[in-house]
Amino acid sequence: DGGITQSPKYLFRKEGQNVTLSCEQNLNHDAMYWYRQDPGQGLRLIYYSQIVNDFQKGDIAEGYSVSREKKESFPLTVTSAQKNPTAFYLCASSGGVGFGRAEAFFGQGTRLTVV
Amino acid sequence: QQQVKQSPQSLIVQKGGISIINCAYENTAFDYFPWYQQFPGKGPALLIAIRPDVSEKKEGRFTISFNKSAKQFSLHIMDSQPGDSATYFCAASSPGNTPLVFGKGTRLSVIA
Repeated sequence: DGGITQSPKYLFRKEGQNVTLSCEQNLNHDAMYWYRQDPGQGLRLIYYSQIVNDFQKGDIAEGYSVSREKKESFPLTVTSAQKNPTAFYLCASSGGVGFGRAEAFFGQGTRLTVV
Repeated sequence: QQQVKQSPQSLIVQKGGISIINCAYENTAFDYFPWYQQFPGKGPALLIAIRPDVSEKKEGRFTISFNKSAKQFSLHIMDSQPGDSATYFCAASSPGNTPLVFGKGTRLSVIA
């Protein structure tokens, strides 16, 4: 089935530790995105990539890093510089045709908790 | 600066009633306005979307009304059902594969 796969579903991070969230898509989409969701805050853009080997900072990129070495993959690393990383992280992709070209497809999310 | 303002933050509707959620935007370059539905612990899923060259789009019980001059759009859910209880997000984007900008969401509860 085509879609976005995020792993793991739950992740626990110790203070000072870097963790990497995985995002894979088999929709052949060019663009991929990472959003952070906190209660009452909506979805806030962390990073996005419109093409392989290129990515742009979003509104809240500090403390995060990404790579886009393959079209299918867009991993997000939450570094120790991110002081409040506990949140629900959502990966998405887009790249259809016609009216649907802007439609973003989301994964099921990764819930990250600092312990 | 919040580019898409959504209201209300939460909404309680009786079963069979009409749920209405409103959004306003400032950026006149936006040309795509989707609504997403999200259930707890899941990723958002596209519900319905509209472009600014039409004033209304209906899909089943869900309707988007769009007012280009007022820079506002709204979601109407007719005959609301308990299964519609979820968080709804409006969003907007500019031409190209630009990221969606989301409103803060509306938590809808449909009670019997």
